[in-house]
Amino acid sequence: EVQLEESGGGLGQPGGSLRLSCAASGFSFKTYAMAWVRQAAGRGLELVSSISGNGGDIHYADAVKGRFTISRDNSENTLHLQMKNLRAEDTAVYYCLKDRSDSSAFFDSWGQGIRVSVSS
Amino acid sequence: QSLLTQPPSVSGAPGQTVTFSCTGTDSNIGAGYEVHWYQQLPGRAPKLLIFVNTLRPSGVPDRFSGSKSGTSASLAITGLQAEDEADYYCQSYDLSLRSVVFGGGTKLTVL
Repeated sequence: EVQLEESGGGLGQPGGSLRLSCAASGFSFKTYAMAWVRQAAGRGLELVSSISGNGGDIHYADAVKGRFTISRDNSENTLHLQMKNLRAEDTAVYYCLKDRSDSSAFFDSWGQGIRVSVSS
Repeated sequence: QSLLTQPPSVSGAPGQTVTFSCTGTDSNIGAGYEVHWYQQLPGRAPKLLIFVNTLRPSGVPDRFSGSKSGTSASLAITGLQAEDEADYYCQSYDLSLRSVVFGGGTKLTVL
């Protein structure tokens, strides 16, 4: 059974940093692209960033480009999202997602989500 | 504003059929990119409901079906049940953005 467990969320200061992690199990992690999607309260879904299985192909939403860094450790089956220069508009629930393959561009497993709040 | 347009709400009575529309452009659905649908029950993470326009993951009832034509796609639910009350999101890929894109979501109310 695929399991994705996010950690590292919480309260961040404007201009500050947070690091999200996603521990993956139940599948061959290095074989699949992964992504982070966020959802602000009462709003829709927004792709934040995605990364291919070998980490060589990375994409960022314009809203986070230059501030967020996605990475993965295939030896530890873990996905990370380093968030810097946080803004109030980054406040959202962040989901860790598994792609259907290494390039399907859709997601067959989602974590339970972790809340990030940016406020002074 | 989402590149994929969905109506904000849809409603139906138990047993009825409801449809959800997802309207894109020539840079996403119209360019031939596949459409996928997710169901988000209240307070829960989204779940893949339909992939590659018409396919259902194992465990998804055949009451749920998807279709695609031109620059639009649709999700239909037949035999509506109270447990279907949720938000439904379409998703595709946009060539101009070179990114996965989501619709704004449609809230289903079961009357």
